Amino acid sequence: NAGVTQTPKFQVLKTGQSMTLQCAQDMNHNSMYWYRQDPGMGLRLIYYSASEGTTDKGEVPNGYNVSRLNKREFSLRLESAAPSQTSVYFCASSEASGQPDTQYFGPGTRLTVL
Amino acid sequence: GDSVTQMEGPVTLSEEAFLTINCTYTATGYPSLFWYVQYPGEGLQLLLKATKADDKGSNKGFEATYRKETTSFHLEKGSVQVSDSAVYFCALSVVRDDKIIFGKGTRLHILP
Repeated sequence: NAGVTQTPKFQVLKTGQSMTLQCAQDMNHNSMYWYRQDPGMGLRLIYYSASEGTTDKGEVPNGYNVSRLNKREFSLRLESAAPSQTSVYFCASSEASGQPDTQYFGPGTRLTVL
Repeated sequence: GDSVTQMEGPVTLSEEAFLTINCTYTATGYPSLFWYVQYPGEGLQLLLKATKADDKGSNKGFEATYRKETTSFHLEKGSVQVSDSAVYFCALSVVRDDKIIFGKGTRLHILP
C-alpha cells in the first residue's frame, strides 16, 4: 500500500519553462489537494478536487492549473514557471467529500525556479 | 473567515522536558481539530484529532483537548524525546467544506 505518491522528488526549472507535477493515491479516496509550503507561511492550498471530474481554486491558484485525470490521479501544471513558484509542493488525499476528514500527504516535490 | 493561530517557533527543549504548543482557532460552526507532524524531508502526517468539544485526541504520548469555551486545542507531551524534533501544525476542518485550514507550523528542537 503506497498511499500518496508524487513525482518528481526534485526539479530545477528556468523561468518560463513548463512542467507537470504528478500525484497518485491508491486508497480509493474521493478528495485530492495540492499545497505549497514556504518558510514562515505554513501550507497554502493551491487547488483541490472534491471528486473525480471536479476541481476548485484554493488560496493561491494563480500561475497553476490542475487536472483530475481519474479517481487516483491529480496533476498540477505550471505553464510558465516564475521564481516566486520556488517551493515545496505537497499532494494530499482524503476519503470523504463534504465532511471534515484526515488528509494523507505525499512526500513532496522540491521545485526551484531560476 | 476560519483560521488557526499557533505559537511561533522554534521551540527548543531538553530531552524529557514537558511540551506545550498553543493553538487557538476561529470558526463558524463546529470544526474538527487536528495536529499534524512533519519530520525532516517528509510530508505531513496526522498525529491526533478531535471532532467535538471536550474530546481528547492522543497518540505517541501526545495529547490535545478540544476546548470550545476557549477555542483552543493545545498540544502537550509529558516527556519529549530527541525523535520528537519536527514541525507541528494545528489545523481545523468544518463540515460544510472539503478543505483543512492549517496554522503556520511550530518547529520543535529537542536537545539530548
